[in-house]
Amino acid sequence: EAQVTQNPRYLITVTGKKLTVTCSQNMNHEYMSWYRQDPGLGLRQIYYSMNVEVTDKGDVPEGYKVSRKEKRNFPLILESPSPNQTSLYFCASSYGQGPYNEQFFGPGTRLTVL
Amino acid sequence: QQPVQSPQAVILREGEDAVINCSSSKALYSVHWYRQKHGEAPVFLMILLKGGEQKGHEKISASFNEKKQQSSLYLTASQLSYSGTYFCGTSISSGSARQLTFGSGTQLTVLP
Repeated sequence: EAQVTQNPRYLITVTGKKLTVTCSQNMNHEYMSWYRQDPGLGLRQIYYSMNVEVTDKGDVPEGYKVSRKEKRNFPLILESPSPNQTSLYFCASSYGQGPYNEQFFGPGTRLTVL
Repeated sequence: QQPVQSPQAVILREGEDAVINCSSSKALYSVHWYRQKHGEAPVFLMILLKGGEQKGHEKISASFNEKKQQSSLYLTASQLSYSGTYFCGTSISSGSARQLTFGSGTQLTVLP
């Protein structure tokens, strides 16, 4: 089944404790993104990747890191999480090296930073 | 800069029509439309590309005015299942940036 998977789905952590949220897709997509969703603000793009080893900042990259060492995986790293990073996070992927096709979203990761 | 969606919320009766608008201050290359139900991931509805190409579900209708950097999503003969939050996403037409920027959403409620 074609899908985007994220792990964990729910995470409660404390300020400053490094964490990684994994994202994996099995559709051989080139373009992958991370978004955060907060009430009233919609989906805001954190980082995106056009292909392996090619990443760039989205609208809200501060406090986040990403890497794209394999085509299928695009992990999101919070090296020192803070309470303002409490949010619902979505990973998405699509064909092509830009946002020019249907974005397939993962199920979301709800993160709480205490 | 986020595209601006209007209205922010709309309530309909089953069978009624609705239009959701999305506008940007920048020249656009693509406009995406997604629907999200509470607690779920966004689901693709349609993408409209500069030059006129459209990809999406047959029952969904949308327009893209490239000169005005505006798009509209048309929901006709609404059904209860149309309820949810609708997001437009835009990518710009110039430079090497490949961002996809979403609006803040339009909450649609369809009543029986």
